[in-house]
Amino acid sequence: DAGVTQSPTHLIKTRGQQVTLRCSPKSGHDTVSWYQQALGQGPQFIFQYYEEEERQRGNFPDRFSGHQFPNYSSELNVNALLLGDSALYLCASSTWDRDGSPLHFGNGTRLTVT
Amino acid sequence: AQSVTQLDSQVPVFEEAPVELRCNYSSSVSVYLFWYVQYPNQGLQLLLKYLSGSTLVKSINGFEAEFNKSQTSFHLRKPSVHISDTAEYFCAVRRAGFQKLVFGTGTRLLVSP
Repeated sequence: DAGVTQSPTHLIKTRGQQVTLRCSPKSGHDTVSWYQQALGQGPQFIFQYYEEEERQRGNFPDRFSGHQFPNYSSELNVNALLLGDSALYLCASSTWDRDGSPLHFGNGTRLTVT
Repeated sequence: AQSVTQLDSQVPVFEEAPVELRCNYSSSVSVYLFWYVQYPNQGLQLLLKYLSGSTLVKSINGFEAEFNKSQTSFHLRKPSVHISDTAEYFCAVRRAGFQKLVFGTGTRLLVSP
C-alpha cells in the first residue's frame, strides 16, 4: 500500500521563478493538504483540497495556488518566488468524511530559492 | 483559533532514561490532539492521537500521552528511551469537524549513550 508520494524530492529555483510541486495521496484518501515547514519550525498550513476545490486556506499570499485532479492527486504552485519561500513543502492526505482521521504525510519537497 | 506551545526546543537525555515532552494547547472549542515524529530528511509520522474516550493513549513503540482538559495539556512520555528515538517531535491540534492541523514549533529529543 503506497503512502503519500511527493515529487520532486529536491528543487533549486531562482528568485522570481515559478515552481510546481506534486503529490499523490495515500490509497483510499480523497483529501489533500499542503504545509510549509521552514527550517527549525513546525509545519504551517497552506491550503486543503477536496473534490477538486480549495476548502480551507491558511495565511499565505495568492502567489500560492493549487489544484486537485479527479484521481485525487494535487499540485502546489508558487509564483514569483522569494528567498523566504525556501522550505520543506509537505503534502498530507486524509479522508474527508471521517472526522478525526489522522493526516498521512509524504516525505516532502525541499525547495531552495537562490 | 487554536494554538500549540511546546516549551522545550531541545531535550537531551541518556539512553534508558525516562523522558517527557511537554505540549500545551489553547482552544475554545472541541479539539483532537496528535503527536507526530520527524526523522532527519523525512516527513512526519503519526505517533499517537487523542480523539475521545480514554485520556491516556499509547503508541506501539512505548510512547504514551495523556489528555488533560483542565490543564489543556497533552504531554508525551516514554519510560525508557532508545538511541533510535532521537528525532523531532511535533504536537498538533485540530478542531473537531475540520482537517487543518496547527503544529507547535517542535521539540528535538537527543538520546545519547
